[in-house]
Amino acid sequence: GENVEQHPSTLSVQEGDSAVIKCTYSDSASNYFPWYKQELGKGPQLIIDIRSNVGEKKDQRIAVTLNKTAKHFSLHITETQPEDSAVYFCAAYQGAQKLVFGQGTRLTINP
Amino acid sequence: DAEITQSPRHKITETGRQVTLACHQTWNHNNMFWYRQDLGHGLRLIHYSYGVQDTNKGEVSDGYSVSRSNTEDLPLTLESAASSQTSVYFCASSVGQAFQETQYFGPGTRLLVL
Repeated sequence: GENVEQHPSTLSVQEGDSAVIKCTYSDSASNYFPWYKQELGKGPQLIIDIRSNVGEKKDQRIAVTLNKTAKHFSLHITETQPEDSAVYFCAAYQGAQKLVFGQGTRLTINP
Repeated sequence: DAEITQSPRHKITETGRQVTLACHQTWNHNNMFWYRQDLGHGLRLIHYSYGVQDTNKGEVSDGYSVSRSNTEDLPLTLESAASSQTSVYFCASSVGQAFQETQYFGPGTRLLVL
């Protein structure tokens, strides 16, 4: 079955700097990779996703890259702001009605 | 505005009791899901439904059941609550290809089983 490893578990960056969160997956058949942001006391919210037919996708300050050969994908946040502080989850869909989530990264933006 | 709600937001119960967590969405989405969130495990799928009268088991379905009698609601029942079921529970919904489209999550229910 699919296994998704997410690193780091915690990340602290200065406001204005960039943050990178990395995930690896085990099943080469995985074809859909969403990223969710969870603010304190709320449910996760999709911030960006990528499918296996593209290598990179950007949305303003957020970008996701996918390396199918190495089976890893990363979330990049540039020009970080205090409101970026949250827990971020990656996920991978392999099929068989299973979306597997990583363990989460707690991102803290220091003013 | 369309939304997805969960109730109660917090629940304390005793071992062996039956507990039902409610989930209601007003988006008219066909697909609905229940996840549990535990530290170090991310989100794990309990049950899901593609539409009325359809229910399917997820990764961690033992001890849980769901029913889908209409499009808007997917209640989650813990038949006999156990301490291992202490967790935060999230309901979600989506359209289209279920797991390969945006899932919209509710605010969660924090359950404590004593």
